[in-house]
Amino acid sequence: DAGVTQSPTHLIKTRGQQVTLRCSPKSGHDTVSWYQQALGQGPQFIFQYYEEEERQRGNFPDRFSGHQFPNYSSELNVNALLLGDSALYLCASSLDRFTDTQYFGPGTRLTVL
Amino acid sequence: SQQGEEDPQALSIQEGENATMNCSYKTSINNLQWYRQNSGRGLVHLILIRSNEREKHSGRLRVTLDTSKKSSSLLITASRAADTASYFCATDAIYNQGGKLIFGQGTELSVKP
Repeated sequence: DAGVTQSPTHLIKTRGQQVTLRCSPKSGHDTVSWYQQALGQGPQFIFQYYEEEERQRGNFPDRFSGHQFPNYSSELNVNALLLGDSALYLCASSLDRFTDTQYFGPGTRLTVL
Repeated sequence: SQQGEEDPQALSIQEGENATMNCSYKTSINNLQWYRQNSGRGLVHLILIRSNEREKHSGRLRVTLDTSKKSSSLLITASRAADTASYFCATDAIYNQGGKLIFGQGTELSVKP
């Protein structure tokens, strides 16, 4: 049974560019959440998707957007990258929006130069 | 913003000793969860304790929750070198729809063989 997968593993971009990160949830899970983890910090909630819509959002600007596909996989898009966007981006899935436990993927390490 | 604060920020012990980490939070919660993270990669779910529970065990882990003090502790007994990791508490606040975890900054545990 495959866990949560994310791609790519690492990514290097320059300021002003755009990036798309991808996530496939654990089998049977329909809810996906995204988190940003800066170095030495705890993860911060970006947003959550289920039924192909953004349901909850953290304190992140509109440069951060997402999408969920009918197969429940998800993308995180970040436009106009800033140096401060350099972080580990974590995707988590849960069985449904009522289930408390979230299962995290290995993350995508984004470096903005 | 981070809801939880963890104490200590770093902890170094010898194999076989017990490790205790504490977490404090600010708002009323549905549940509190503990996660482990190795070397800046994905988070592994350890244990979830609900707001109406006071103590929970899972193998060598014991978690307590005091909602009157808005605090929790994680005890790892008979620690092993493989327990070396960062440990995070995460709360699911009562005013959320669910699934929006708010993490503390973590405790970095080092277990020396």
